[in-house]
Amino acid sequence: EDKVVQSPLSLVVHEGDTVTLNCSYEVTNFRSLLWYKQEKKAPTFLFMLTSSGIEKKSGRLSSILDKKELFSILNITATQTGDSAIYLCAVGTRDDKIIFGKGTRLHILP
Amino acid sequence: GAGVSQSPRYKVAKRGQDVALRCDPISGHVSLFWYQQALGQGPEFLTYFQNEAQLDKSGLPSDRFFAERPEGSVSTLKIQRTQQEDSAVYLCASSFYLGGADTQYFGPGTRLTVL
Repeated sequence: EDKVVQSPLSLVVHEGDTVTLNCSYEVTNFRSLLWYKQEKKAPTFLFMLTSSGIEKKSGRLSSILDKKELFSILNITATQTGDSAIYLCAVGTRDDKIIFGKGTRLHILP
Repeated sequence: GAGVSQSPRYKVAKRGQDVALRCDPISGHVSLFWYQQALGQGPEFLTYFQNEAQLDKSGLPSDRFFAERPEGSVSTLKIQRTQQEDSAVYLCASSFYLGGADTQYFGPGTRLTVL
């Protein structure tokens, strides 16, 4: 059965800290790995990764994929209270499915 | 509107009632997806439309769940005889691309509470 596992499930850090969120997967017909940020509304797209070893960056956020070891990490540096959210990892498959993990609930203390 | 919209945003139903949830995708988007997100969980796939054709309904949890998209734009998810376990946020997403599961934009969701 296809699955996406995220860790930790929740994380509390202080503003300014750096955090690393983990996502491992066992999925047939892998096509892409996606990261979303979900506040009290719809998930918003952060990154799509298809190739191993190529880091994608957007401001203080960055992500990388390892297709051999079947995992991805999402890094957030110099965290701010506005980074508090649930971070969802998902895998898109070649038969047009998308499988989500349960998310990591990140809380940034001021 | 620029994004995917859903209505109502909140729905409270008594157990056994039927509900209908609406999704307005981004204009021109051919692919439309419905997801169910229970509290503390990630979204789980329910069904997928390509234009008006429902190509995959493997995620619908029971025959009480029914979705349609008759003209290839607006979609409705209907739940008959609601049960407490149906309480969740129902997310709709659309994509310009065929298939397009990894290029989708999400709506704000409808939070359904079944009493």
